[in-house]
Amino acid sequence: EPEVTQTPSHQVTQMGQEVILRCVPISNHLYFYWYRQILGQKVEFLVSFYNNEISEKSEIFDDQFSVERPDGSNFTLKIRSTKLEDSAMYFCASTRDLPSYNEQFFGPGTRLTVL
Amino acid sequence: GDSVTQMEGPVTLSEEAFLTINCTYTATGYPSLFWYVQYPGEGLQLLLKATKADDKGSNKGFEATYRKETTSFHLEKGSVQVSDSAVYFCALSDLDSNYQLIWGAGTKLIIKP
Repeated sequence: EPEVTQTPSHQVTQMGQEVILRCVPISNHLYFYWYRQILGQKVEFLVSFYNNEISEKSEIFDDQFSVERPDGSNFTLKIRSTKLEDSAMYFCASTRDLPSYNEQFFGPGTRLTVL
Repeated sequence: GDSVTQMEGPVTLSEEAFLTINCTYTATGYPSLFWYVQYPGEGLQLLLKATKADDKGSNKGFEATYRKETTSFHLEKGSVQVSDSAVYFCALSDLDSNYQLIWGAGTKLIIKP
């Protein structure tokens, strides 16, 4: 069964460093998402991506964040200069069609720890 | 804006007990409603969904009915197993949220043998 994969599973970085979180969505999916979950808090939407551009982003997704689909298979989330409060679990998701009724398929997540 | 409220956990039950996890929502439109489950060390998996009022979603013995009159989507299972131990998330998406998933806080379920 096709699945969304994410690497690495755990990333530890120093405050101020750049990190890139990688995701490989399901191959025939067209809509891609990043969510994050700070420990003990709700899952929060960060950004959605369709047709090689951001279609929606939340207030969390400020200038420190960027997303890219560099090669038609990977979907990356870059944090330019990490802060302590960026420590969280980051989930990638994808869906084939406009997700009005359709399931978003999630990856296993990347745990980011900023020291 | 849209929001989801679900009962706080952890919920601790004995095996074969009846489970209810409450979920209520606030939405200006006509949302689709979802339950996702996160098993220890794993990602988020869709458990069940309902897309319109009075729909019942079901999977793996779990059920939830979309109740528009009470804006609820409570998760139920008649007889839980130890393997059901996980965190359960209620979520919605609709046009007003541009189909982003809006999540509840999650409820940790612990089933004791």
